[in-house]
Amino acid sequence: QKEVEQNSGPLSVPEGAIASLNCTYSDRGSQSFFWYRQYSGKSPELIMFIYSNGDKEDGRFTAQLNKASQYVSLLIRDSQPSDSATYLCAPWTDSSYKLIFGSGTRLLVRP
Amino acid sequence: DVKVTQSSRYLVKRTGEKVFLECVQDMDHENMFWYRQDPGLGLRLIYFSYDVKMKEKGDIPEGYSVSREKKERFSLILESASTNQTSMYLCASSSHGQGNYGYTFGSGTRLTVV
Repeated sequence: QKEVEQNSGPLSVPEGAIASLNCTYSDRGSQSFFWYRQYSGKSPELIMFIYSNGDKEDGRFTAQLNKASQYVSLLIRDSQPSDSATYLCAPWTDSSYKLIFGSGTRLLVRP
Repeated sequence: DVKVTQSSRYLVKRTGEKVFLECVQDMDHENMFWYRQDPGLGLRLIYFSYDVKMKEKGDIPEGYSVSREKKERFSLILESASTNQTSMYLCASSSHGQGNYGYTFGSGTRLTVV
């Protein structure tokens, strides 16, 4: 079993819709969870992090965390074509100093 | 803003050459990382360092070495470049216990070995 699982996609949604990106992880010691966005040919950029169970909202983005189910998700409301990118989920464990990256979900927002 | 700077955006090297990829960060971060990223394989950790002169192997260290003589600089060395090392190389940095802030990545170096 991979440490971090993401559906590779592509996830295709129409402009204005809600995109839902999901991630499961295996290490119960993971304490914080990061979402990175990566445009084709560019490096990953941090868009959100969450460390408490529940929801965290930042503009059009909402991160959801359920530690009991080892599940974290990212919702993008009012999706725009500029949101088309690969989204990487990455849990953090303090003891290892490292993020463990999923392979990413490719999101395509159709105009 | 934390800045992580990679010395080259694109590099073309010949098989057998020794290749140096440089990474510099300006926020006094303790941890630095080198990843490679290939289509379908995601980000794979090559080496990381959590202090000056310290280094730890990642998942795919074979064919690579690293150097961290100063806190702000972390170099990746391809001892004898091979075509299967053609890839995008990403450097990242973070602070100890920075579970709330994650990594900051450099802009990447696309290396082609011919």
